[in-house]
Amino acid sequence: GAGVSQSPRYKVAKRGQDVALRCDPISGHVSLFWYQQALGQGPEFLTYFQNEAQLDKSGLPSDRFFAERPEGSVSTLKIQRTQQEDSAVYLCASRDRGPPLHFGNGTRLTVT
Amino acid sequence: GQQLNQSPQSMFIQEGEDVSMNCTSSSIFNTWLWYKQDPGEGPVLLIALYKAGELTSNGRLTAQFGITRKDSFLNISASIPSDVGIYFCAGLSLSGNTPLVFGKGTRLSVIA
Repeated sequence: GAGVSQSPRYKVAKRGQDVALRCDPISGHVSLFWYQQALGQGPEFLTYFQNEAQLDKSGLPSDRFFAERPEGSVSTLKIQRTQQEDSAVYLCASRDRGPPLHFGNGTRLTVT
Repeated sequence: GQQLNQSPQSMFIQEGEDVSMNCTSSSIFNTWLWYKQDPGEGPVLLIALYKAGELTSNGRLTAQFGITRKDSFLNISASIPSDVGIYFCAGLSLSGNTPLVFGKGTRLSVIA
């Protein structure tokens, strides 16, 4: 597709449930990033892939968060045993060579 | 971690007025980016700056990379209603291996 595609757009989960968020980056983009955006805040870095290699996961808030990109294209962010503080918009971004990131429209996760 | 201070937090202006917002960092950046985010969407790149002192325009938008490498400014001239949204600055440090860091955003409201 022309842009970064994320699904689902909205996800409501009960506390304790596992969720999986999907990102389809721009075709051919080597680098893929996940960011978390809390209400009224700027995006905060979670993790970064170059092809299928996860090069930086320093922003993942706990071991309940796990991301993968097994074939170097589509990526999945998984959150296990969701907590209320996990409620946020999860943004995926990709880039080719230069610094600017191209963002998807995000998945809004609400944990009740 | 790195912090970006973005100001003002919010602005209410009359249509036709000029707008100015800025971002400062506690550390040196080698790239500054400005994004705009509309409700329910991901951030969209407005302007990218790669050199200290660089001044770049994109239509009615002008941004500058501060000569100290620790700040950047975004100006919008002759604002129109569709300028409404949240503007984020983002910076990439000299090492290049750290992820893009975002400010908390400036929420712009335009009164017709």
